[in-house]
Amino acid sequence: QVQLMQSGSELKKPGASVRVSCKASGYTITNHGLNWVRQAPGQGLEWMGWIDTNSGNPDYAPGFTGRFVFSLDTSVSTAYLQISSLKAEDTAVYYCAATVTTDWGFDYWGQGTLVTVSS
Amino acid sequence: QSALTQPASLSGSLGQWITISCTGTSSDIGSYKYVSWYQQDPGKVPKLMIYEVSNRPSGVSNRFSGSKSGNTASLTISGLQAEDEAHYYCSSFAGRSWVFGGGTKLTVL
Repeated sequence: QVQLMQSGSELKKPGASVRVSCKASGYTITNHGLNWVRQAPGQGLEWMGWIDTNSGNPDYAPGFTGRFVFSLDTSVSTAYLQISSLKAEDTAVYYCAATVTTDWGFDYWGQGTLVTVSS
Repeated sequence: QSALTQPASLSGSLGQWITISCTGTSSDIGSYKYVSWYQQDPGKVPKLMIYEVSNRPSGVSNRFSGSKSGNTASLTISGLQAEDEAHYYCSSFAGRSWVFGGGTKLTVL
């Protein structure tokens, strides 16, 4: 069955970097784009952008350029989100999400990775 | 890209129906038939309930339906059940990006 398995929670200090992984199974990762969605504590969902898993090209939403990098390792069917120069306001749950059986709706989600930035 | 506008909260009684609105612009909802709705329980992963305005994924109850008119999309839930109490988020394709609504907390009385 289709699954997106994310890495575990992270606690980081301001200024540090973090990498979140999202491993796809049950389908060919290069066949369907992979999106990243942020949810700050008590807040709504925010689309961060996506990576074209066929070409490896990332596309970032406004507000997620510069410190945010999407990457991919197709040999292990895994996508990555790296955030550098972490700030307290980056504290959030980060989800990966894919459109697998639907072309225009995120039908599969990772379980979410909580990134906490605190000194 | 501004977030889509949803009511912050709504309530409905068991067995009744309720409609959640989602207002966007001519750059998102008004231009594309790619509106989705997600249900999220506290501390849980969002679940796709409606895609492409009115399509239900396999396994989603037919009590959930979606529609769109102009720049506004709607999610209707009929025969409200206690398990429907959750946050609901709309989302629309906006050209090269996706945009979410701020979310609606649905309380079932």
